[in-house]
Amino acid sequence: AQTVTQSQPEMSVQEAETVTLSCTYDTSESDYYLFWYKQPPSRQMILVIRQEAYKQQNATENRFSVNFQKAAKSFSLKISDSQLGDAAMYFCAYRSGEYGNKLVFGAGTILRVKS
Amino acid sequence: KAGVTQTPRYLIKTRGQQVTLSCSPISGHRSVSWYQQTPGQGLQFLFEYFSETQRNKGNFPGRFSGRQFSNSRSEMNVSTLELGDSALYLCASTRGDGPEAFFGQGTRLTVV
Repeated sequence: AQTVTQSQPEMSVQEAETVTLSCTYDTSESDYYLFWYKQPPSRQMILVIRQEAYKQQNATENRFSVNFQKAAKSFSLKISDSQLGDAAMYFCAYRSGEYGNKLVFGAGTILRVKS
Repeated sequence: KAGVTQTPRYLIKTRGQQVTLSCSPISGHRSVSWYQQTPGQGLQFLFEYFSETQRNKGNFPGRFSGRQFSNSRSEMNVSTLELGDSALYLCASTRGDGPEAFFGQGTRLTVV
């Protein structure tokens, strides 16, 4: 079974600075997807960024980028120029490339942004 | 384009009762997945429906069931509610075989 581990229960960052959230996963599959989701106090899960395992290039979405290390099974999220609106719980998630849309989530990291 | 709609947003039920939650996916999306979120267990996958068929199931007791209609709307039912069923229930909508899943705002269920 696949597992996702987020070892940082909580992180803090100063507004306008950069922060990196860590995620490791365990799988025997070669075809899969990885995601970062953001869950603000409203509780709505918002997709931040996705990475296909077959792609060597790290995904980037505006201020959000990932560092995907397939051999190390590591998938960290870097947030640049942090904004107050980035404060939320962040979840790393794994989806098999095979049948079905089941997501396996990590425990989450609470990100606090200081002004 | 409308997002994923979950109803109701909040529910309070008594132990032993049953409850039905509803999820309307994004138009054109045929896959609906359900997740339970609790402070202790985090986010756990319940089941996925695709074209009215359950094709993935998590490790939950049989009291948790679901179905999907021909218009892709899905319902989740929990029978004989227990205090431990208190949670945020999230529904996710996926176009077909994904990969991106889009979530609704959730239904907060409190069992007293």
